Amino acid sequence: ERVMTQSPATLSVSPGERAALSCRASQSVSSNLAWYQQKPGQAPRLLIYGASTRATGIPARFSGSGSGTEFTLTISSLQSEDFAVYYCQQYNNWPWTFGQGTKVEIK
Amino acid sequence: QVQLVESGGGLVKPGGSLRLSCAASGFTFSDYYMSWIRQAPGTGLEWISYISTSSSDTNYADSVKGRFTISRDFAENSLYLQMDSLRAEDTAVYYCARGNYGGSFDLWGQGTMVTVSS
Repeated sequence: ERVMTQSPATLSVSPGERAALSCRASQSVSSNLAWYQQKPGQAPRLLIYGASTRATGIPARFSGSGSGTEFTLTISSLQSEDFAVYYCQQYNNWPWTFGQGTKVEIK
Repeated sequence: QVQLVESGGGLVKPGGSLRLSCAASGFTFSDYYMSWIRQAPGTGLEWISYISTSSSDTNYADSVKGRFTISRDFAENSLYLQMDSLRAEDTAVYYCARGNYGGSFDLWGQGTMVTVSS
């Protein structure tokens, strides 16, 4: 099983600042990686798939990079609506697995 | 309106069974693979089951293999999860999700809560 490890667990950022979230795979997952945003009481929302392709309707301030075992989700300038929990997910190998999440909170 | 709506959650005793449903609307259901993903209270996401567009292929997480069965009904545009031999650790919000480009999920339902407790 591919274990996905996200860091940090919590990221404290001021509005307008840049945030970089890390996701590491225990073995290569190629570019078969997605990022999701989840707000309290809501279902997750797809942000990025294929490691770097933004999903429909996702603002350009969200970008994804990486391949193999190291991935990064960057939010260029945090807006108030971006404070949430972010998950990475690999779909290169069964079982598909998620990271444990990074909570982005207001500093 | 493009949406997924889950139902069927509730309180069940350990060892019991429950069948979850997910009604799809606003898109061509047969064009997409589907999955069930769950989230235990206060924790992260766990993918648990997949079904292909034609229903010919299914896959399960080890945690539910042999106890849960995924299926879909094209006439009803619905996805199902039959859950048997339920355990306390199956307590979670269960989401159905639509597949997107290889293994990500671009549309999620609102979730249905399953509580396994005596």
